[in-house]
Amino acid sequence: EAGVAQSPRYKIIEKRQSVAFWCNPISGHATLYWYQQILGQGPKLLIQFQNNGVVDDSQLPKDRFSAERLKGVDSTLKIQPAKLEDSAVYLCASSFRHGQSPLHFGNGTRLTVT
Amino acid sequence: AQSVTQLDSQVPVFEEAPVELRCNYSSSVSVYLFWYVQYPNQGLQLLLKYLSGSTLVKGINGFEAEFNKSQTSFHLRKPSVHISDTAEYFCAVSHQGGKLIFGQGTELSVKP
Repeated sequence: EAGVAQSPRYKIIEKRQSVAFWCNPISGHATLYWYQQILGQGPKLLIQFQNNGVVDDSQLPKDRFSAERLKGVDSTLKIQPAKLEDSAVYLCASSFRHGQSPLHFGNGTRLTVT
Repeated sequence: AQSVTQLDSQVPVFEEAPVELRCNYSSSVSVYLFWYVQYPNQGLQLLLKYLSGSTLVKGINGFEAEFNKSQTSFHLRKPSVHISDTAEYFCAVSHQGGKLIFGQGTELSVKP
């Protein structure tokens, strides 16, 4: 099966600019996650979708971050405006069913904010 | 609240030696436990998981982990490591159906 696809792989922007990341999950996976992984730390959940509805966005900085999953398939994560501390790898993951099913991760987008 | 502690940030080991990566969790309810591996510039890949049943769980690439409820631990072990096992390893825990919480990671470095 095809894995989780993410683009771009790398992005460099200046602070206060905006950026968007795209994710295409594994076909048939209802649950989609966006994680932020800062260098030297474990991934931190930003937002979880079940189909096209938001299940958990408690750690999403909503003043600057937004995410959508139109039609319950692809998803986009946006940052506007970016701050230096947003430099991280943004990982998208999907699972067949939340809870017991393992998460399948994409290769991530490495964001550098200068 | 759940939390995960990986007790070693870096573990250097020689090739063909055994290794143990330690993980402790805190949770007041039943949990699911996972180990993921991350190779450089890649996403995370599931090594093994504990949902219920036997406390000894076998995973891919010769890794295994043992769930110890009394010590709230889920240590990862491999009897003989290879150079190709060099990677970052993450322990993760979730309350049944809840958010997956990751530890800080352990960098395993296998030397020839």
